[in-house]
Amino acid sequence: QEQLVESGGGLVKPGGSLRLSCAASGLNFADYYMGWVRQAPGKGLECISYISGPSDYTNYADSVKGRLTVSRDNAKNALYLQMNSLRVEDTAVYFCARFAAAGTWLDYWGRGTQVTVSS
Amino acid sequence: QSALTQPASVSGSPGQSITISCVGTNSDIGAYNYVSWYQHHPGKAPKVIIYELSNRPSGVSNRFSGAKSGNTASLTISGLQAEDEATYFCSSYTTSRTLFFGTGTTVTVL
Repeated sequence: QEQLVESGGGLVKPGGSLRLSCAASGLNFADYYMGWVRQAPGKGLECISYISGPSDYTNYADSVKGRLTVSRDNAKNALYLQMNSLRVEDTAVYFCARFAAAGTWLDYWGRGTQVTVSS
Repeated sequence: QSALTQPASVSGSPGQSITISCVGTNSDIGAYNYVSWYQHHPGKAPKVIIYELSNRPSGVSNRFSGAKSGNTASLTISGLQAEDEATYFCSSYTTSRTLFFGTGTTVTVL
């Protein structure tokens, strides 16, 4: 069964760091773009970053550029999001998701992991 | 970063049809037929129900249908059922090579 499972969320102070992980199983991971989507409290979804299968292309939303870094390990079927210089406005549920082959929609999602930035 | 605009809530009685709108711009919905819709039950993984404007993934009920007119996309749920209670998000590929999402619509079955 296709599954994406996020981990690594938690409570962190402003200016702190976290590393999120996403473990993929039952699906083709290495050949597909993967992304991170977040949902802040009371807000809609925001695609904040994505990475190509061979890791030769990455993209970031302006709201996180320079602070978050996406990476992947295809040998481990794992996606990562290194989050530095965290701000209160980064508080959200973070989902990992796989882009469909066309790259224009997301065909598999995880359940998300909560990140709370608060002093 | 702009979001696509959806109504906050829509409700209907079992068996009725409801339509959720998703308003974008010439740089997203108006630029391509790359609109997708996702159903999200709290605590679960979001699930795609419509992709590339009007296509349904295998296993998704044909009660869900998608369409577009200009910069506005829409999702129609016909024959509303209790299990359809969820939050629905639209999404569009954009000319900036990213995905924009809608603000989300909570569907209530009365």
